[in-house]
Amino acid sequence: ILNVEQSPQSLHVQEGDSTNFTCSFPSSNFYALHWYRWETAKSPEALFVMTLNGDEKKKGRISATLNTKEGYSYLYIKGSQPEDSATYLCAFPSGGGADGLTFGKGTHLIIQP
Amino acid sequence: DTAVSQTPKYLVTQMGNDKSIKCEQNLGHDTMYWYKQDSKKFLKIMFSYNNKELIINETVPNRFSPKSPDKAHLNLHINSLELGDSAVYFCASTLAGELFFGEGSRLTVL
Repeated sequence: ILNVEQSPQSLHVQEGDSTNFTCSFPSSNFYALHWYRWETAKSPEALFVMTLNGDEKKKGRISATLNTKEGYSYLYIKGSQPEDSATYLCAFPSGGGADGLTFGKGTHLIIQP
Repeated sequence: DTAVSQTPKYLVTQMGNDKSIKCEQNLGHDTMYWYKQDSKKFLKIMFSYNNKELIINETVPNRFSPKSPDKAHLNLHINSLELGDSAVYFCASTLAGELFFGEGSRLTVL
């Protein structure tokens, strides 16, 4: 069973502030890490797929970094907006390429106006 | 055009009944999945289907069975529904490991 930890579980941030949260994973046998954004009453949507140590990906105000040697990835949101409120999930391939993804429990982010 | 669509979105039924949730994807993906969102909002994989072959069958009761009439469809059949089956079920398909999810089907068992 893949041990994926996300912290914090929930986070309240003032609009305009920047924030970040963590996904921790076993550093051995790393294949890829996925970040998903899941808004309430919608379906999860892919943000990033990261495969290489030192990877940094960016999409608008959201960016992510990856450290496979120490087993963590950070997701950053710059200048939080109310529409950033969502649960952010990290996920890993469950096994081989067609075995689906195993998800962490997520960080529930609430942006307060 | 919805890439991954599930029906019904809401389903309320009595204990002991048999029900199905349908899923269709128009993305041409080879692999489809069913996930269950449990009471703690945690997404857990249930099944995957690749070219009509079941690849994963996690520790789900055998009352649950996926059926794929063709590559674009993966339906979820549930027999003898129990209260604990109440959850949101998500269908997904994959390209290069990235999952595309349907909007979910909320099942309530009374």
